[in-house]
Amino acid sequence: EDQVTQSPEALRLQEGESSSLNCSYTVSGLRGLFWYRQDPGKGPEFLFTLYSAGEEKEKERLKATLTKKESFLHITAPKPEDSATYLCAVQAGSTSYGKLTFGQGTILTVHP
Amino acid sequence: DVKVTQSSRYLVKRTGEKVFLECVQDMDHENMFWYRQDPGLGLRLIYFSYDVKMKEKGDIPEGYSVSREKKERFSLILESASTNQTSMYLCASSLYHRETGELFFGEGSRLTVL
Repeated sequence: EDQVTQSPEALRLQEGESSSLNCSYTVSGLRGLFWYRQDPGKGPEFLFTLYSAGEEKEKERLKATLTKKESFLHITAPKPEDSATYLCAVQAGSTSYGKLTFGQGTILTVHP
Repeated sequence: DVKVTQSSRYLVKRTGEKVFLECVQDMDHENMFWYRQDPGLGLRLIYFSYDVKMKEKGDIPEGYSVSREKKERFSLILESASTNQTSMYLCASSLYHRETGELFFGEGSRLTVL
């Protein structure tokens, strides 16, 4: 059974204080790992796709990296508007049609 | 801009009522999904559809059914609502491609069953 575990459950940062979120996964043949951002009362919004170990993607203050067992979402000099829940999801090699398994998310709060 | 629209943002229903949640996408996507999101449990897949009139069970299909009569519309049906179906329901769509996990989500429908 595919599993995704995110840590920490919640993270509080001061504005400008860089940190990382972790996503550990167990999957039979990783087809892709995905990061989403979810604001309160909204649906998740796609951020990144990573396909193979060693791959990195960047978008503004966010950088996602991937190893064979986990992914990190690095947040550099965060701002209050980066506050959101960050979700990690995997697609296994045995699945199709975009079927994903999600982690429980990390709630990030950035204080000014 | 890509858009997935869920017809109701908030619903309150009684136990035993039949509930319809509607979702429409304007991107001509083949795949559509229904997830529910609960604190501590994350997003769990209820049903998905990869073509008109086609449907596949997800991880938690019990108590739910779906309908996809047109490509742009995917409906979730609770035949007899129960209190344990109180949740946030999220509809999503994606292109028909085995590699993509880029789902486009609606804003969600928060259902309360009394």
